[in-house]
Amino acid sequence: KNEVEQSPQNLTAQEGEFITINCSYSVGISALHWLQQHPGGGIVSLFMLSSGKKKHGRLIATINIQEKHSSLHITASHPRDSAVYICAAPNSGGSNYKLTFGKGTLLTVNP
Amino acid sequence: DAMVIQNPRYQVTQFGKPVTLSCSQTLNHNVMYWYQQKSSQAPKLLFHYYDKDFNNEADTPDNFQSRRPNTSFCFLDIRSPGLGDAAMYLCATSKDRGPADTQYFGPGTRLTVL
Repeated sequence: KNEVEQSPQNLTAQEGEFITINCSYSVGISALHWLQQHPGGGIVSLFMLSSGKKKHGRLIATINIQEKHSSLHITASHPRDSAVYICAAPNSGGSNYKLTFGKGTLLTVNP
Repeated sequence: DAMVIQNPRYQVTQFGKPVTLSCSQTLNHNVMYWYQQKSSQAPKLLFHYYDKDFNNEADTPDNFQSRRPNTSFCFLDIRSPGLGDAAMYLCATSKDRGPADTQYFGPGTRLTVL
């Protein structure tokens, strides 16, 4: 099973600030997932990363496969970005479809 | 829009009274998952279907069962809910079962057990 660590656990920012959330994992993988969950709500998949960088609107995700580390960045943060952001890594071996989820980062963006 | 739908969004049941949660998808995905998520915790995989093939997690209690009558629908049955089963239940789908396959989640059903 992959061990997934996220930091920080809680993050408070002012509207417009640049946000970075970090994720590290223990077992080499071919893909990493970033997810978003609003309080009391379902989960939305933001990115699947296998290498390099991906960008979607104000969200940017990067991954360094060698260092087993990924980051999620939010540019020009907005109160509607307030949510829990979760990093998830597949297990190794035969159960590589199973995701190990990080504990999540609770982001609060104040106006 | 293609999506994953869960019904009901909120379910209240009594201790020991069987309950069924429903999930449907218009994505025509092969894989359907059921997760349990308790407050401030990560989702926990209960089981999944790969097409008609049922795959139970080793630590999923026998109290939890699932049915997939066709590609589009999957049900979670809790035979005798206990207070500890109160949680958010999330259904997810993926086209295939691999590390790079994105899972598409439904909005969840919040179960309350009285």
